Amino acid sequence: GNSVTQMEGPVTLSEEAFLTINCTYTATGYPSLFWYVQYPGEGLQLLLKATKADDKGSNKGFEATYRKETTSFHLEKGSVQVSDSAVYFCALSQGGSEKLVFGKGTKLTVNP
Amino acid sequence: NAGVTQTPKFRILKIGQSMTLQCTQDMNHNYMYWYRQDPGMGLKLIYYSVGAGITDKGEVPNGYNVSRSTTEDFPLRLELAAPSQTSVYFCASSYSPTTSGANVLTFGAGSRLTVL
Repeated sequence: GNSVTQMEGPVTLSEEAFLTINCTYTATGYPSLFWYVQYPGEGLQLLLKATKADDKGSNKGFEATYRKETTSFHLEKGSVQVSDSAVYFCALSQGGSEKLVFGKGTKLTVNP
Repeated sequence: NAGVTQTPKFRILKIGQSMTLQCTQDMNHNYMYWYRQDPGMGLKLIYYSVGAGITDKGEVPNGYNVSRSTTEDFPLRLELAAPSQTSVYFCASSYSPTTSGANVLTFGAGSRLTVL
């Protein structure tokens, strides 16, 4: 079945550091890929998405590129801020499916 | 815009009690979902609905029931609460993925349930 594997957390960085959170997936065909973010005490919200191979999703300085050859969708940001502290979830949906499959989440803490 | 509203935000139950978590959305989304979130385990789908009158089981439906009598509301009922149901519950909604091209969910703020 479909699955998503994220790097284990927690991740602790200093402000202005470079961030990478790895995400790989297992799926048949061409799934849509997502990054959701959960700030403390809140629900998840969509950060970015990509619907086909080589697409790059971007938002709020975060980027992720849909790499079909490596089945990956790694999240990157060039300079993190304290306000980026949150839990980040990678997810996929299999074309036309109503169900999202989530990774376990990676907690990011950014220190000033 | 209210988006997805869940009540209550917090609840403590005794083993064997029952309760209903309420969820309502005002975006005219036809799809609605209930997930539970356990520490280090990500989100697991409990039940989902593709429209009023239609519900289906997700990955972890045991111990729960749902109904969808209107487009806006999707309550989750816990019968005979057990400690294993201690979790944070999230309701979400979306348009049909076949019309939107990708299944983007809007989540509520969550309901933290403790069963003692």
